[in-house]
This record gives sequence, C-alpha cells and structure tokens, in this order.
Amino acid sequence: GAVVSQHPSWVICKSGTSVKIECRSLDFQATTMFWYRQFPKQSLMLMATSNEGSKATYEQGVEKDKFLINHASLTLSTLTVTSAHPEDSSFYICSANTGNYEQYFGPGTRLTVT
Amino acid sequence: GESVGLHLPTLSVQEGDNSIINCAYSNSASDYFIWYKQESGKGPQFIIDIRSNMDKRQGQRVTVLLNKTVKHLSLQIAATQPGDSAVYFCAEGRSNDYKLSFGAGTTVTVRA
Repeated sequence: GAVVSQHPSWVICKSGTSVKIECRSLDFQATTMFWYRQFPKQSLMLMATSNEGSKATYEQGVEKDKFLINHASLTLSTLTVTSAHPEDSSFYICSANTGNYEQYFGPGTRLTVT
Repeated sequence: GESVGLHLPTLSVQEGDNSIINCAYSNSASDYFIWYKQESGKGPQFIIDIRSNMDKRQGQRVTVLLNKTVKHLSLQIAATQPGDSAVYFCAEGRSNDYKLSFGAGTTVTVRA
C-alpha cells in the first residue's frame, strides 16, 4: 500500500514551453501533497505544499506564477512548469501525506529543458 | 535559516562491516526525524523514523539514535551489503505542518 506515482517519469521540452507533471496517490487519499526539486548531487528542496481544494503554499524563493500547482482531488496534484528555461532542468519529486507524519514519495520526474 | 545537515558527504565501507551515518540538525522545534535512502534516478525510500521523545529506535539491520542535547542524529546499518550503496538523507519535520527539511546527503559506497 501507500504507493505514489508520477507521470511522466522523464520529459524533454524546449525553452519557453510549459510542461505538466502529475502526482497520484494510488491506494490512499492524500490530505496534503508536497513538491520538491532536486538538482544533481544535491538534496531535496521543498517547493510547495498542496492541499486539496485550496491554493498551494510556496516556500520562500519559489515563483508561484512559474510553478503552478493544482490539487484537484485527494489523489491527484499537478505541477506545471510554465515558460520553462534550461535552469529549470531538475528532478521533481512529489510526496503525499495522510494527515500524520508519514510521507510517501513518488519516483520522481526528470525534466530537461533544451 | 535553520536546516538539517550531514557531517560527511561520502562513506566507503567494506561489505559486512557496520556503517554509521551522522546528521546534525538545528531546528529545536522539530519533533520527528526520518532517514531516507535514495538510489540514482529514484525517489527517496523510507528507512526508519524516530520521534523526539525517543532516543533510540531499531529496525531490521538499522538503528537510529537521537541526541537532542547536541541536536545529533545517526543511522547505523549492520552488516552492510552491496544493495545498501545509495545516498542517505536525514530529514526533520514538525507535526504542525508535516513539512520536511532534508539534509545534504551522504553517499555510501559498499566495497566488495
């Protein structure tokens, strides 16, 4: 149980385009979903917290107009990277929380912007 | 701002030996701590956690120690195996919002 999936697992897009990443909790309902970004050989950095039916809360320094988060249901959150640039190339990871301290991570999405 | 950090970026260990990975944290408000294992190109995998009201917790081949006096956390892996080679992160969290702050990570390499 407690499986989180991400789609796509990897994506290549051209500079200036937008790309959407999906995060799904497959066998449970997630009260909260979190989005992280991880650059090569670095740690995970929390980008935003997403709650179903409400606006996402962004961490300091994360542009909310660039990284659009939608949490449409208790099992789906999406992250859209708008007007992507090469510096947005990174590994994006989501996690889902069921209202306690347990957090289940997705397998990550590798984004490459050319 | 406050963050979780790791003392050593890399650790090389002989297969069969015990591994100890250390972590320093600075947020005294954190009330739980989690160790994750991350293999290349994959998401973090939960290893073990510990609440702030405990100082030791054991799992299968792993033990986590928490010293709140010096804000130090460690992960001990017994009889390290080649499959243990990965990057290990400690993370601290607070039960008021369940956000996690990750440390820098320690790369563990197991020598055959």
